[in-house]
Amino acid sequence: GQQVMQIPQYQHVQEGEDFTTYCNSSTTLSNIQWYKQRPGGHPVFLIQLVKSGEVKKQKRLTFQFGEAKKNSSLHITATQTTDVGTYFCAGLDSGNTGKLIFGQGTTLQVKP
Amino acid sequence: GAGVSQTPSNKVTEKGKYVELRCDPISGHTALYWYRQSLGQGPEFLIYFQGTGAADDSGLPNDRFFAVRPEGSVSTLKIQRTERGDSAVYLCASSSSGVPEAFFGQGTRLTVV
Repeated sequence: GQQVMQIPQYQHVQEGEDFTTYCNSSTTLSNIQWYKQRPGGHPVFLIQLVKSGEVKKQKRLTFQFGEAKKNSSLHITATQTTDVGTYFCAGLDSGNTGKLIFGQGTTLQVKP
Repeated sequence: GAGVSQTPSNKVTEKGKYVELRCDPISGHTALYWYRQSLGQGPEFLIYFQGTGAADDSGLPNDRFFAVRPEGSVSTLKIQRTERGDSAVYLCASSSSGVPEAFFGQGTRLTVV
């Protein structure tokens, strides 16, 4: 079945450093979504990417969708302590059944 | 309500018992998802409803797990003969047609002892 893999599993950075997490799917995706989960919380939607090669920005966050629609990345510039949490990508399979498959997540720790 | 509501927030049950977990989605949301999340893992897909029908139940691990959504709103996840391995946080999410965002509830933490 469809699998979505994320690396790295953990990342510790000093405040002000950049951070990137990568997401790869075993199959072509209809779209990809990114979520953030704070410790003890539930996943909260950040953004959706639909088009091949699409790039979207939200303040210090830059999201990319690969040309083949099988991979994606999230880059945070100049991390802040408020960026702490686990970032998940979630892929909607190309069969478009509505099934959203999540990666294992990348947990970001930011040292002040 | 304003968001997705899940009850109970915590459930401790003995091995072999039956449990029901409830999800109240955001009013008007046609899509409803159930996920299971273990510590340090991403949400694991269980089942997806579009309206009253299960559009995809391929994530249910075995026939001890069953979910219903009889009126296209509230959903109940039912687990029979619970096992210790069923311990996890069970998350429910809902979304609206044409809007990609899935809104998650706070989850039900199930502990099987």
